[in-house]
Amino acid sequence: GAGVSQSPSNKVTEKGKDVELRCDPISGHTALYWYRQSLGQGLEFLIYFQGNSAPDKSGLPSDRFSAERTGGSVSTLTIQRTQQEDSAVYLCASSLKGANSPLHFGNGTRLTVT
Amino acid sequence: GENVEQHPSTLSVQEGDSAVIKCTYSDSASNYFPWYKQELGKGPQLIIDIRSNVGEKKDQRIAVTLNKTAKHFSLHITETQPEDSAVYFCAAARTNFGNEKLTFGTGTRLTIIP
Repeated sequence: GAGVSQSPSNKVTEKGKDVELRCDPISGHTALYWYRQSLGQGLEFLIYFQGNSAPDKSGLPSDRFSAERTGGSVSTLTIQRTQQEDSAVYLCASSLKGANSPLHFGNGTRLTVT
Repeated sequence: GENVEQHPSTLSVQEGDSAVIKCTYSDSASNYFPWYKQELGKGPQLIIDIRSNVGEKKDQRIAVTLNKTAKHFSLHITETQPEDSAVYFCAAARTNFGNEKLTFGTGTRLTIIP
């Protein structure tokens, strides 16, 4: 079946512009995660959704970052007024119930802020 | 919050030899410990996991051990093959307190030398 789909796969934007990153989770998965991976680094937690609610958004770096999930399915991560330090790969993952069940990751969106 | 440390950051082993990657965690309430493999340009993929009520788990050439007292867990890969070359991440989560966040280690780049 289809896995987690992320779009776009690559995004180049100018400093100060807003960007939207999209995640289509596996159908039926109630939990959805966003992580950020800087070049050669580990995975930094951003936000976790259970259904349409975000019980944990403690990893969002600043108020320029926001995320929403609608219909218990698609999620959008928005970065306003992008900065060069926002350049990274943004990974989305979904799981059937939560961290207690396997996370299925998409291939990520590589964001480059020039 | 949880802090996961992972060692070594890079590891090179001869094909056919064994590889061991070690992680420590800080939150004694963590009860779920998965390992992920990430190939170039792709999202991480779950390869094995262990829960706190088990000390060891094996799946073909891959095994994971957990020492709850010392708060560390390890990944063992035996009879390594070229396709084992990738970045491996350990992770920890406490899944029975309503906090479903996976905290990842910083990753180990494993290179299998033919």
